[in-house]
Amino acid sequence: GAVVSQHPSRVICKSGTSVKIECRSLDFQATTMFWYRQFPKQSLMLMATSNEGSKATYEQGVEKDKFLINHASLTLSTLTVTSAHPEDSSFYICSAKTHRGFRNSPLHFGNGTRLTVT
Amino acid sequence: TQLLEQSPQFLSIQEGENLTVYCNSSSVFSSLQWYRQEPGEGPVLLVTVVTGGEVKKLKRLTFQFGDARKDSSLHITAAQPGDTGLYLCAGAQGTSYDKVIFGPGTSLSVIP
Repeated sequence: GAVVSQHPSRVICKSGTSVKIECRSLDFQATTMFWYRQFPKQSLMLMATSNEGSKATYEQGVEKDKFLINHASLTLSTLTVTSAHPEDSSFYICSAKTHRGFRNSPLHFGNGTRLTVT
Repeated sequence: TQLLEQSPQFLSIQEGENLTVYCNSSSVFSSLQWYRQEPGEGPVLLVTVVTGGEVKKLKRLTFQFGDARKDSSLHITAAQPGDTGLYLCAGAQGTSYDKVIFGPGTSLSVIP
């Protein structure tokens, strides 16, 4: 089956620093990847849609300068949390579809990155 | 923007009991998916339903898509501790079907 790998699984950083999270599709090409944020005991909130070779599409209320997304290849998207603050602490999850544009094509998720900003 | 609601939000039952989780929307979805998520991990797909009235079974889990494609249910028979987790319904949004939104989730705890 389709595998999405996310790295790192956990990261602790100091306030004011930047953190990069990688999302890779290991056995398929993903022209589109999705980044979600999840707070404890809550559902996934879509932050942005990452498009290979073009700018990401951000959801309303998500600061694009704060959460930089780069989708430089068909198998890699990165999310950089810039100038992180404690309120950015959360569980970040990426996902991708093996087949775009098909309504019964599911999302394949990475295992998430637990970010803690001290 | 299409929204999904789930009920109940939390559910704690004894092993062997049956349960049903509901996912509702005022909008029509082209497809609905159910995922299960364990703490510290990404969601794992359980099923995708695309046809109104469709029923799918996965061992002790039965999924149904409403006739109008606005709602779905997940029924678990004889729940086991291994069923514990966060159950999320998700719907494809827009004509491209690529953008997926999630319901708030149902946190299930099955007590041995």
